Amino acid sequence: SQTIHQWPATLVQPVGSPLSLECTVEGTSNPNLYWYRQAAGRGLQLLFYSVGIGQISSEVPQNLSASRPQDRQFILSSKKLLLSDSGFYLCAWSRDPGLYGYTFGSGTRLTVV
Amino acid sequence: QQPVQSPQAVILREGEDAVINCSSSKALYSVHWYRQKHGEAPVFLMILLKGGEQKGHDKISASFNEKKQQSSLYLTASQLSYSGTYFCGTGPTRQGAQKLVFGQGTRLTINP
Repeated sequence: SQTIHQWPATLVQPVGSPLSLECTVEGTSNPNLYWYRQAAGRGLQLLFYSVGIGQISSEVPQNLSASRPQDRQFILSSKKLLLSDSGFYLCAWSRDPGLYGYTFGSGTRLTVV
Repeated sequence: QQPVQSPQAVILREGEDAVINCSSSKALYSVHWYRQKHGEAPVFLMILLKGGEQKGHDKISASFNEKKQQSSLYLTASQLSYSGTYFCGTGPTRQGAQKLVFGQGTRLTINP
């Protein structure tokens, strides 16, 4: 069966510090991978998605970037965090969103102070 | 374009029924439904692939009206465990970008 791992679960970072969140999927190959951010009490904002190694589509032009160095690994990064980067970050995967649902990781709650 | 969900919030007593609607201004090819409990990640409930399709498990079901470009989620005889925020997501075409576009969510509160 497929599983998705996301870490860390909680993170408190000072403004201006770097960020690296990692997500890995097991039990499948060539998954579609997604990074979402959710502000408190709000909806799901798509940040990046990837349909293959090295292929990244950016939805939000901010100080965040994403990379997919391996087939089942998706990394979200920032060189300098802003207060507005606080939120609940969710990684998700799908075999094909036109036919199958998303499976979300457990999320990372990021607080920038 | 983001689908529109209605209502934005609903409060029920245990055992009552609820309907959540999801409408799109664009043609729908597939519709996903998810439930998110407070502080947790969203969980996939079901996907509807064809116009007119209806699906369900337990007492939660959904319909997909392709002509009206909308889907509805039905929660029958609601249980306390149904509380949470429900999101619909509209799926891509075969040639389109492989991503969902989520609605803004509907917060469902079930009281004893």
